[in-house]
Amino acid sequence: NAGVTQTPKFQVLKTGQSMTLQCAQDMNHEYMSWYRQDPGMGLRLIHYSVGAGITDQGEVPNGYNVSRSTTEDFPLRLLSAAPSQTSVYFCASSYYTGQGVGEQFFGPGTRLTVL
Amino acid sequence: QKEVEQDPGPLSVPEGAIVSLNCTYSNSAFQYFMWYRQYSRKGPELLMYTYSSGNKEDGRFTAQVDKSSKYISLFIRDSQPSDSATYLCAMSAEGGAQKLVFGQGTRLTINP
Repeated sequence: NAGVTQTPKFQVLKTGQSMTLQCAQDMNHEYMSWYRQDPGMGLRLIHYSVGAGITDQGEVPNGYNVSRSTTEDFPLRLLSAAPSQTSVYFCASSYYTGQGVGEQFFGPGTRLTVL
Repeated sequence: QKEVEQDPGPLSVPEGAIVSLNCTYSNSAFQYFMWYRQYSRKGPELLMYTYSSGNKEDGRFTAQVDKSSKYISLFIRDSQPSDSATYLCAMSAEGGAQKLVFGQGTRLTINP
């Protein structure tokens, strides 16, 4: 199993450009989520999905779109990049247990710089 | 005020020491508590996951939750240089580990 994969590893954008961060998992997990990590801020939830076709907003959703057409993939779209979106982006996936969402498995991250 | 507060450190201790990492929180609805370890330029990996007050032990790691004080701790015994990493606490209000709220992370260095 590859686990959670993210592409690209690094990206530099100019202000106003759009792009899609890819996330895929091969563990048949229903729950997937996107976080951003900024210095001194920990990780903050952007969007999450409880299954194919179902997405919802997290703590910091503005400027980002998501969709979930398959169980495996959960892409994150930046509509018009801004310098404030310079960050490290992590995708995570998890399964459901009797207590709800279980352990979240994180990808290696995408480092994004917006100039 | 942040919902979850964690001292960012950095914290530097000698090999073999007992390490104590702590988080406080303000949201009394939090029921699920986690500790993640993150090596430099890597994704976080789960160390401990608890959903009740009290202690949970796994090898050299012990997680402690005190819901009445809104305070959680992670203890590392016999610390090793390989434990050098950033440690993040995380918690959620419902549905297990979904919609996690993270602390800022504590950078820990274990010196040989």
